[in-house]
Amino acid sequence: GQNIDQPTEMTATEGAIVQINCTYQTSGFNGLFWYQQHAGEAPTFLSYNVLDGLEEKGRFSSFLSRSKGYSYLLLKELQMKDSASYLCAVRDEGGSYIPTFGRGTSLIVHP
Amino acid sequence: NAGVMQNPRHLVRRRGQEARLRCSPMKGHSHVYWYRQLPEEGLKFMVYLQKENIIDESGMPKERFSAEFPKEGPSILRIQQVVRGDSAAYFCASSPNPLAPTSTDTQYFGPGTRLTVL
Repeated sequence: GQNIDQPTEMTATEGAIVQINCTYQTSGFNGLFWYQQHAGEAPTFLSYNVLDGLEEKGRFSSFLSRSKGYSYLLLKELQMKDSASYLCAVRDEGGSYIPTFGRGTSLIVHP
Repeated sequence: NAGVMQNPRHLVRRRGQEARLRCSPMKGHSHVYWYRQLPEEGLKFMVYLQKENIIDESGMPKERFSAEFPKEGPSILRIQQVVRGDSAAYFCASSPNPLAPTSTDTQYFGPGTRLTVL
């Protein structure tokens, strides 16, 4: 089984930087995903980490530390359209390798 | 290239009725996954199907819920005798290949069907 923990809600100012943390406990580890989900819409893939370190994609970066069971999503130069829920999902070694999702972090960006 | 399609987008049923949710995967994708999302909850995996096969139904309630992915046509999630607790958003996702530990393949999600049970 897996236990995935994220903050429920965060607020930030347009133009700022925000870091959304995700901690997990799993019997085996086979990758961590971040998805963005706007209200009433489909989750969309942002990033995938399987090795320790930082993966950068434009304004978004994702970091992983397997020994600490920890990841974060870093959003730079925040825009109003970044207001959404950010879902952390962890894939373990069992079954069909289907990721287990955390409850998501609702990010509110204000002017 | 159309994405994952789900219909209906909104469905209202009275207690005891049946709900049928449809999902057409992305073109070229033969692996379909169904999830349920309750308010303030994460996406909960229900079932994973390939054409004509259920691969993993470990997240599916034992009663009233069933899923299929026929050779032709969309995948169907069927909920019989719905109860108020079934009210949720149901998302379908697809992938081109089985999710594998060495693969960076991800799942592509549809817009969801919001089921309301009165």
